[in-house]
Amino acid sequence: KAGVTQTPRYLIKTRGQQVTLSCSPISGHRSVSWYQQTPGQGLQFLFEYFSETQRNKGNFPGRFSGRQFSNSRSEMNVSTLELGDSALYLCASSASTGEKLFFGSGTQLSVL
Amino acid sequence: GENVEQHPSTLSVQEGDSAVIKCTYSDSASNYFPWYKQELGKGPQLIIDIRSNVGEKKDQRIAVTLNKTAKHFSLHITETQPEDSAVYFCAASGGGYQKVTFGTGTKLQVIP
Repeated sequence: KAGVTQTPRYLIKTRGQQVTLSCSPISGHRSVSWYQQTPGQGLQFLFEYFSETQRNKGNFPGRFSGRQFSNSRSEMNVSTLELGDSALYLCASSASTGEKLFFGSGTQLSVL
Repeated sequence: GENVEQHPSTLSVQEGDSAVIKCTYSDSASNYFPWYKQELGKGPQLIIDIRSNVGEKKDQRIAVTLNKTAKHFSLHITETQPEDSAVYFCAASGGGYQKVTFGTGTKLQVIP
């Protein structure tokens, strides 16, 4: 069974640009969560989608948004990038409840 | 919201010794406590989890204990091996469809 796939693996952007990250969950998983990982803050919850609906949301500004498609694939978008948005963005899928998360390897975003 | 504190931030042990990582949580409604292991360049991987109706759970060299009254839970690794070297995260959740809140991580180094 294929794991969670995140693309791209690395991304370099400049301040003010926007970026879209993609996540393909494990087949059959309907819940997709997104986390931001930084050395000082650990894993910070961004949002969770289930059956194309945002079910939970973390404390991030509106520049961070996401969506989920009917095949459970998910994308997250960050607009007007800031230097502080540099981080590893992790996507995790789970069967239904959002527990027992299966993580992808992440997208390393660098904002210059 | 839930707040999870994790200690220590770094831990070095000799191969064969035991390692203990401790976490506290703030929300008494939390009832699901997973532990994740993150190796370099990879996303976190679930290694063990426990629910609030269980005080202890073991899986080979790994065990987790939970004290609901004190809102403490701990990860115990016995007979450590070099391949146990990684960053370990504790987490807490209200279960079901609630978001998972992570601790800030413990970098474990097992010295051969």
